[in-house]
Amino acid sequence: DTAVSQTPKYLVTQMGNDKSIKCEQNLGHDTMYWYKQDSKKFLKIMFSYNNKELIINETVPNRFSPKSPDKAHLNLHINSLELGDSAVYFCASSQGFGTGETQYFGPGTRLLVL
Amino acid sequence: QQPVQSPQAVILREGEDAVINCSSSKALYSVHWYRQKHGEAPIFLMILLKGGEQKGHDKISASFNEKKQQSSLYLTASQLSYSGTYFCGTGLRSGGSYIPTFGRGTSLIVHP
Repeated sequence: DTAVSQTPKYLVTQMGNDKSIKCEQNLGHDTMYWYKQDSKKFLKIMFSYNNKELIINETVPNRFSPKSPDKAHLNLHINSLELGDSAVYFCASSQGFGTGETQYFGPGTRLLVL
Repeated sequence: QQPVQSPQAVILREGEDAVINCSSSKALYSVHWYRQKHGEAPIFLMILLKGGEQKGHDKISASFNEKKQQSSLYLTASQLSYSGTYFCGTGLRSGGSYIPTFGRGTSLIVHP
């Protein structure tokens, strides 16, 4: 069984379009995250939810809107896609949101904006 | 303020040892180490929470210095499977939360 899953794995789209990425975890964790990894492999936190409540929002353009319908799901919707949004987006989960929590990453969604 | 990793890249032959460092100008609450293979997700290796702590499994170990400002990852007798990018991460305190923050990664290539 996959612990953290994301769909789709690949996403190729035109500038200006709106797209969504879905994430699900079956680990029973309370906290979920979205990260963006750029072409230089820099891994940067975007958002985090704990028990469906937004706890981290790291200066991300408001074109990005996360949504957590329940503890096991965290989706990311992106409006008006731009070239600079091209990256790999990772979802992750952890038991809690303290500094000592191990994070489990999903396989990533490779987004290419043309 | 993200932790600083060094070196940026390491190239080894099988059986050689490597050390990857992660440092900060301020004491860290914790240090996490992850490995990411090309095209895959980062995988957790280990976490250190206490100053002076050392941990390890198999031939990969890590230490956290007494001041909690530096951690080192030690790869002994490296194998081809050790190739990948290694990240150290920590949590930066922000209000009541910790912001997960990663170093820029160290690329490790092990040749036969």
